[in-house]
Amino acid sequence: EDQVTQSPEALRLQEGESSSLNCSYTVSGLRGLFWYRQDPGKGPEFLFTLYSAGEEKEKERLKATLTKKESFLHITAPKPEDSATYLCAVQEGQGAQKLVFGQGTRLTINP
Amino acid sequence: NAGVTQTPKFQVLKTGQSMTLQCAQDMNHEYMSWYRQDPGMGLRLIHYSVGAGITDQGEVPNGYNVSRSTTEDFPLRLLSAAPSQTSVYFCASSYDRGSYEQYFGPGTRLTVT
Repeated sequence: EDQVTQSPEALRLQEGESSSLNCSYTVSGLRGLFWYRQDPGKGPEFLFTLYSAGEEKEKERLKATLTKKESFLHITAPKPEDSATYLCAVQEGQGAQKLVFGQGTRLTINP
Repeated sequence: NAGVTQTPKFQVLKTGQSMTLQCAQDMNHEYMSWYRQDPGMGLRLIHYSVGAGITDQGEVPNGYNVSRSTTEDFPLRLLSAAPSQTSVYFCASSYDRGSYEQYFGPGTRLTVT
């Protein structure tokens, strides 16, 4: 059974303090790994898709990386507006786009 | 474009009542899906559709029905609500069944008493 585990569950940082969020997965035939951002009371918002080990993608202060067993979301010099829950999801190899989500990491950036 | 819209935003039901959660998208997306989000459980797939007239079950389909008569609309029906269905429901759509990002609606918060 496909599994996605995110750590830590919650993370508090000071503004400007860089860190990383982890997403570990077990899936037969990874077709894509997705990162989403979710603000309180809203739907998830797409950030990145990674397809193969070694791939990296960047957007402003965020950089996502992928290995064969896990993905990291690196946050460099975060600002309070980066506070949100970050969700990781994997899509397995065959069939329609059925995503399996992790439980998320709740990130708080203090000014 | 309005993107993915959901109605209502909030709903309270009594056990045994039925209702339909509405979802519509104006991006001409073929793929649509319904998720529920519960504390500590992450998002779980209920049902999905790869095009008009085609639906299939996800991870947690029991107690829910769907239909897809048009590309734009994908309603979710609760036939006989139970307290275990208290959750936040999200509808999502994407271009097709490939590895494209899904666009999520704002959610419906449902409470069953």
